[in-house]
Amino acid sequence: GAGVSQSPRYKVAKRGQDVALRCDPISGHVSLFWYQQALGQGPEFLTYFQNEAQLDKSGLPSDRFFAERPEGSVSTLKIQRTQQEDSAVYLCASSSQRVGNTEAFFGQGTRLTVV
Amino acid sequence: AQSVTQLDSQVPVFEEAPVELRCNYSSSVSVYLFWYVQYPNQGLQLLLKYLSGSTLVKGINGFEAEFNKSQTSFHLRKPSVHISDTAEYFCAVTPQTGANNLFFGTGTRLTVIP
Repeated sequence: GAGVSQSPRYKVAKRGQDVALRCDPISGHVSLFWYQQALGQGPEFLTYFQNEAQLDKSGLPSDRFFAERPEGSVSTLKIQRTQQEDSAVYLCASSSQRVGNTEAFFGQGTRLTVV
Repeated sequence: AQSVTQLDSQVPVFEEAPVELRCNYSSSVSVYLFWYVQYPNQGLQLLLKYLSGSTLVKGINGFEAEFNKSQTSFHLRKPSVHISDTAEYFCAVTPQTGANNLFFGTGTRLTVIP
């Protein structure tokens, strides 16, 4: 596609529910990133994939967060047993570069609200 | 480790006036520097970046920024703002080697007043 696509754009979950957020990167981009942006804050890194390999998951806040990219293209961020503090915008970015990330393209994000 | 500080959380400015949004960073290694803009309910759009060479970089929409290594700053400027520049602006860095992810500041909300 022309850009990074994320779905759904908005998600309301009851506390304790599991959610899955999808990211379709730009075709051919090897690098894929997930960020979490809390209200009034800058994005914070969650995890990084190079093709299907998850090379860095140091930013995942708890073991309730899980991300995958099984075929090296579409990625899914899953949050189990959602809590109110998980409410945020989740941004996905992709890049054609393997190292020295200087060309990241962002999707519009998924706004997750946990009630 | 890297960190980015944007001291001004909100900057109101009149239309056609100049504006400067401040950004300072801290890093133990050399970094690349970026400014992104975020319009309401949108993702992040790259305004400009500094990789190497001339310390004055020009970006889209008439914005420019100057890298100052001694002051570890990368301030964003525009000589004359428009109503359409109202948005959230984020400064970010990424290390030139090692980690690939971006480290963002907390953002500056620019409001252009007619």
